[in-house]
Amino acid sequence: AQSVTQLDSQVPVFEEAPVELRCNYSSSVSVYLFWYVQYPNQGLQLLLKYLSGSTLVKGINGFEAEFNKSQTSFHLRKPSVHISDTAEYFCAVSPRNSGNTPLVFGKGTRLSVIA
Amino acid sequence: GAVVSQHPSWVICKSGTSVKIECRSLDFQATTMFWYRQFPKQSLMLMATSNEGSKATYEQGVEKDKFLINHASLTLSTLTVTSAHPEDSSFYICSAPGQVNTEAFFGQGTRLTVV
Repeated sequence: AQSVTQLDSQVPVFEEAPVELRCNYSSSVSVYLFWYVQYPNQGLQLLLKYLSGSTLVKGINGFEAEFNKSQTSFHLRKPSVHISDTAEYFCAVSPRNSGNTPLVFGKGTRLSVIA
Repeated sequence: GAVVSQHPSWVICKSGTSVKIECRSLDFQATTMFWYRQFPKQSLMLMATSNEGSKATYEQGVEKDKFLINHASLTLSTLTVTSAHPEDSSFYICSAPGQVNTEAFFGQGTRLTVV
């Protein structure tokens, strides 16, 4: 089984400042890793994902994340945030090569960008 | 990418009535659909897995007689909340898995309010 821990439930940050949203996971098998963003009353939009290869993954809207196998982490970063980045961010995992299984989500981190 | 269309986006119903939520895969065939429920400021909780042509699989604690799931075709899965009560008010999201768990495609979500 897999589990995901997002260490921060809320992260306030000033506009144009950098931000890091932390994600750690636990799994007995190899996993794929994902970050999704959710705006109020909307579904989830994929920001980026790690499947294989380079551990530094670049996504949409200027976000990037780095997979660290030894620390079982997949932290999300952005060097300069905008007001429009205010949203809920979810880290998720799925087991590799395991057919159609649902994603396992963390509890989410609420990013609030302050003008 | 693949698109999952979920309707309605918002629904308000009276206590005791039933509400049907539809999820359609627009440009691909979804043999599997996951249904999630999301409480305010919380993560997505998997309710059930629907498979085309067979009975849905429900997670522990989810009442299968209250949350009826039908997956009659490769492009349509429905969730019917029967005899709805105010405690059923929530945000419901469907998701179809991508190829071998490398991605998931989410509907826009349905905000259900039972009065």
